[in-house]
Amino acid sequence: AQTVTQSQPEMSVQEAETVTLSCTYDTSESDYYLFWYKQPPSRQMILVIRQEAYKQQNATENRFSVNFQKAAKSFSLKISDSQLGDAAMYFCAYGAQGGSEKLVFGKGTKLTVNP
Amino acid sequence: DGGITQSPKYLFRKEGQNVTLSCEQNLNHDAMYWYRQDPGQGLRLIYYSQIVNDFQKGDIAEGYSVSREKKESFPLTVTSAQKNPTAFYLCASGSYGQQNQPQHFGDGTRLSIL
Repeated sequence: AQTVTQSQPEMSVQEAETVTLSCTYDTSESDYYLFWYKQPPSRQMILVIRQEAYKQQNATENRFSVNFQKAAKSFSLKISDSQLGDAAMYFCAYGAQGGSEKLVFGKGTKLTVNP
Repeated sequence: DGGITQSPKYLFRKEGQNVTLSCEQNLNHDAMYWYRQDPGQGLRLIYYSQIVNDFQKGDIAEGYSVSREKKESFPLTVTSAQKNPTAFYLCASGSYGQQNQPQHFGDGTRLSIL
């Protein structure tokens, strides 16, 4: 079974600085998808970024980028120019290729942004 | 606007009572999912459905039941057999087979014991 591990329960960053959230996963599949979701205090789950395993190029979305290391099964999220609105729980998730597309989530990292 | 609607936002259950959480989507998605979220935990899959009239157990299905009579609807019943139902429940939907379509989530239902 696939597992997702987020080793940092909490992280903090100064406004305008850069922070990196870590995620590792375990799978025997070669094709899969990885996601970072943001959950603010409103409890909405918001997709931040996704990465297809077959793509070598790291995904980027504005201030958010990932460092995808397939061999190491690592998928970290970098947030540049942190803003107060970035404060939230961040969840890393794994989705299998084909099949039911059900997601396996890590336990999350709580990010605090200090003014 | 297209999206997923969960209701109610808050729900209270008495001992021995079954309660049903509603989830409706108008995104024309084939697949729907129910996740449970506890404090300090990520989301755990309860049940999922890929097509109408078919569904599969997730990792923590005991004490829960679902139905999928319509493509748009995937209600979750928390039965009296679920001894620790207090949690935040999230419904999601996705385009089965379309890997470039990530799951969309509803706003959740918070269930508490009276």
